[in-house]
Amino acid sequence: NAGVTQTPKFQVLKTGQSMTLQCAQDMNHEYMSWYRQDPGMGLRLIHYSVGAGITDQGEVPNGYNVSRSTTEDFPLRLLSAAPSQTSVYFCASSYSSGGNGYTFGSGTRLTVV
Amino acid sequence: GQQLNQSPQSMFIQEGEDVSMNCTSSSIFNTWLWYKQDPGEGPVLLIALYKAGELTSNGRLTAQFGITRKDSFLNISASIPSDVGIYFCAGRRAGTASKLTFGTGTRLQVTL
Repeated sequence: NAGVTQTPKFQVLKTGQSMTLQCAQDMNHEYMSWYRQDPGMGLRLIHYSVGAGITDQGEVPNGYNVSRSTTEDFPLRLLSAAPSQTSVYFCASSYSSGGNGYTFGSGTRLTVV
Repeated sequence: GQQLNQSPQSMFIQEGEDVSMNCTSSSIFNTWLWYKQDPGEGPVLLIALYKAGELTSNGRLTAQFGITRKDSFLNISASIPSDVGIYFCAGRRAGTASKLTFGTGTRLQVTL
């Protein structure tokens, strides 16, 4: 039982490049979310999903796309990386609507130069 | 977007001291959560609160759901070096499905 697995752990991109951050969970959780963490700003919700085939925008969705074709996977795509997207990205999953608390992955540290 | 106001932002305490931190919002929440984040890791859930006035403990940690439903408090008793980290509050408003709003965090450092 691996919990929430994020890959890669570190990534450096050039401005304008695209990439996909991977997130997989093996707990059969319905709810999954992506957050970004910036110094002094806590965690901000990018996109979330309440089940396979269903996604919605969070607080800071611009520049990011998501899809949820399976219960297990919830990849986050950066379409054209910008320096403002330099951050630590966390994927999280939960059985229910977050009331029991999300389980977080260990994060992906992304630097855009 | 809204974020929760968490205070203090940081604190240095001596081992054995008790710690208090709080989280406030202008909105009503129906769930409050407290997380701890160690360096290089994701947040880990410490305590979940579901009712106004609820007081819940987890070892040396005690958290309370404020009666106004707009605040929550976390206390750590007899701090130890492994309590070092960033503590986040998070809240969920009614009707917002899986969306959590996070506080800006309290960085705790414990000196021997």
